[in-house]
Amino acid sequence: AQSVTQLDSHVSVSEGTPVLLRCNYSSSYSPSLFWYVQHPNKGLQLLLKYTSAATLVKGINGFEAEFKKSETSFHLTKPSAHMSDAAEYFCVVSGLAGDMRFGAGTRLTVKP
Amino acid sequence: EADIYQTPRYLVIGTGKKITLECSQTMGHDKMYWYQQDPGMELHLIHYSYGVNSTEKGDLSSESTVSRIRTEHFPLTLESARPSHTSQYLCASSEFNEQYFGPGTRLTVT
Repeated sequence: AQSVTQLDSHVSVSEGTPVLLRCNYSSSYSPSLFWYVQHPNKGLQLLLKYTSAATLVKGINGFEAEFKKSETSFHLTKPSAHMSDAAEYFCVVSGLAGDMRFGAGTRLTVKP
Repeated sequence: EADIYQTPRYLVIGTGKKITLECSQTMGHDKMYWYQQDPGMELHLIHYSYGVNSTEKGDLSSESTVSRIRTEHFPLTLESARPSHTSQYLCASSEFNEQYFGPGTRLTVT
């Protein structure tokens, strides 16, 4: 069985500073990993995905994530936060049958 | 942009009423899912379908039921709504391990 743990329920940064949202996964096989973003009153939007190709994955809006098998991590980063990045972020692991396990979410707050 | 639609977006209804939450997708995806999400909380899978006439219960027990008579349509029904059903319900469809989400239905049962 696979699972994900998002290590921070809430992250607060200032506009223009780097963002780091942490995610560890557990899987008995090589997983597919995703980051989704959810803005208030909106559906979930895919930011990026890892599917066993390049370990550094670039997504939309300047986000990227690095798959580190030795650390079982898939942390999401962005060099410079923007006010519009304030949202809830979910780390997701997908199993062989296509079922997806969501983390508890990290709420990102961006201060002016 | 994924084409998956949910109606209504918001619903306030009294206890005991029967409700159906609609979900439609125009991408021809075989796999569809329903998730329940309480405010600020993670998503929990309550139903999924791998194609027409296929429905399965998810990880979280739910009193709702689903049907899949057409590929594009995956409605969720509550026969008798209760305040404990107050939540956000998200529908998704998938292809190649990537899920596309609808905007959600925020249900309040009074």
